[in-house]
Amino acid sequence: ETGVTQTPRHLVMGMTNKKSLKCEQHLGHNAMYWYKQSAKKPLELMFVYSLEERVENNSVPSRFSPECPNSSHLFLHLHTLQPEDSALYLCASSQTDRVPTGELFFGEGSRLTVL
Amino acid sequence: ILNVEQSPQSLHVQEGDSTNFTCSFPSSNFYALHWYRWETAKSPEALFVMTLNGDEKKKGRISATLNTKEGYSYLYIKGSQPEDSATYLCARNWGAGSYQLTFGKGTKLSVIP
Repeated sequence: ETGVTQTPRHLVMGMTNKKSLKCEQHLGHNAMYWYKQSAKKPLELMFVYSLEERVENNSVPSRFSPECPNSSHLFLHLHTLQPEDSALYLCASSQTDRVPTGELFFGEGSRLTVL
Repeated sequence: ILNVEQSPQSLHVQEGDSTNFTCSFPSSNFYALHWYRWETAKSPEALFVMTLNGDEKKKGRISATLNTKEGYSYLYIKGSQPEDSATYLCARNWGAGSYQLTFGKGTKLSVIP
């Protein structure tokens, strides 16, 4: 099993659809992150969960809804998205007791296209 | 809001050449600086995490230095190989205990065989 697995790798959805992105980590970490990369922009932090509690929420629109049912799984629920939400969504994990010097371990990302 | 700048945005080098690029960041309340390597269609991988002024870290042909007083870090690649082709990202932590990492836009390196 690779360290951080994201599904689906590609997703196309209409503005009225509801879909979810899934992330699973097999590294025994207890912090998980959602990052967004839009074209020609740097990676932007969206949400952080530590020990299954949300600890960061960077002014993300409510049409993005995270869920962390346990320390190994993280979801990003999507509803009524806009075309400008099309981007690469990366999940990452780290060890909480090594914040901020512990490195992040990333998945390969979910490429989202909103029509 | 932190601004992390990387230069150049992209560069092409011949196989065997050595190269370096820069990450600039605000020096106030510095805690840690991360470097990641991101190959196309793969996941970003951590290269270094640096915390102390004057830190120098090395992994094979890749090394990095850190100047926290003036707010910059250099990444060096000695004898570039085609497999070094990737985007190199740096990121600064907002402070002790913070989960926030502010990333630069990256330097895209292409090594020509």
